[in-house]
Amino acid sequence: KAGVTQTPRYLIKTRGQQVTLSCSPISGHRSVSWYQQTPGQGLQFLFEYFSETQRNKGNFPGRFSGRQFSNSRSEMNVSTLELGDSALYLCASSFHRAGTEAFFGQGTRLTVV
Amino acid sequence: DQQVKQNSPSLSVQEGRISILNCDYTNSMFDYFLWYKKYPAEGPTFLISISSIKDKNEDGRFTVFLNKSAKHLSLHIVPSQPGDSAVYFCAATSMDSNYQLIWGAGTKLIIKP
Repeated sequence: KAGVTQTPRYLIKTRGQQVTLSCSPISGHRSVSWYQQTPGQGLQFLFEYFSETQRNKGNFPGRFSGRQFSNSRSEMNVSTLELGDSALYLCASSFHRAGTEAFFGQGTRLTVV
Repeated sequence: DQQVKQNSPSLSVQEGRISILNCDYTNSMFDYFLWYKKYPAEGPTFLISISSIKDKNEDGRFTVFLNKSAKHLSLHIVPSQPGDSAVYFCAATSMDSNYQLIWGAGTKLIIKP
């Protein structure tokens, strides 16, 4: 059974640009959550999608957005990138909903210069 | 407001001895707790969980203890092995938070040979 796949693994962008990250969950999983991890911080919750609907949202500015497709694949978009957006972005999939055992991808390391 | 706290950023333990990782929470509505393990450049992997109706859950070398009155949980690893060296995250959730996982900042465990 394939795991959670995130692409790309690494990304370098300049301030002001926008970026789209992709996540393919485990087959059959309908919940996809996104997290931001910065050095010394725990995982900061961005949002959760379930059956193409955003079900939960963290405390991030509107520059951070996402969507989920009918095949449960999800994308996350960050517009007008700032230096502070440099982080590891993790995607997690669950069968039912976030909060049960979640399976994580390897993450996308975003560096904003 | 940090609802889940892991007050030890790092912990060093001799191989073969017991590792005890601690986690405190403030929200009495949390009813499900999880521990994840993370290696560098990888996503977190689920380790063990416990429901608030229990005070102990065991899985092989890993045991999680929950003290609801103290709002405290701990992860015991016995015996500790070099492969256990990783960052350990505690997470909590509840219906009250719409099952969003609330994460601690993590504790880096170093197992010394």
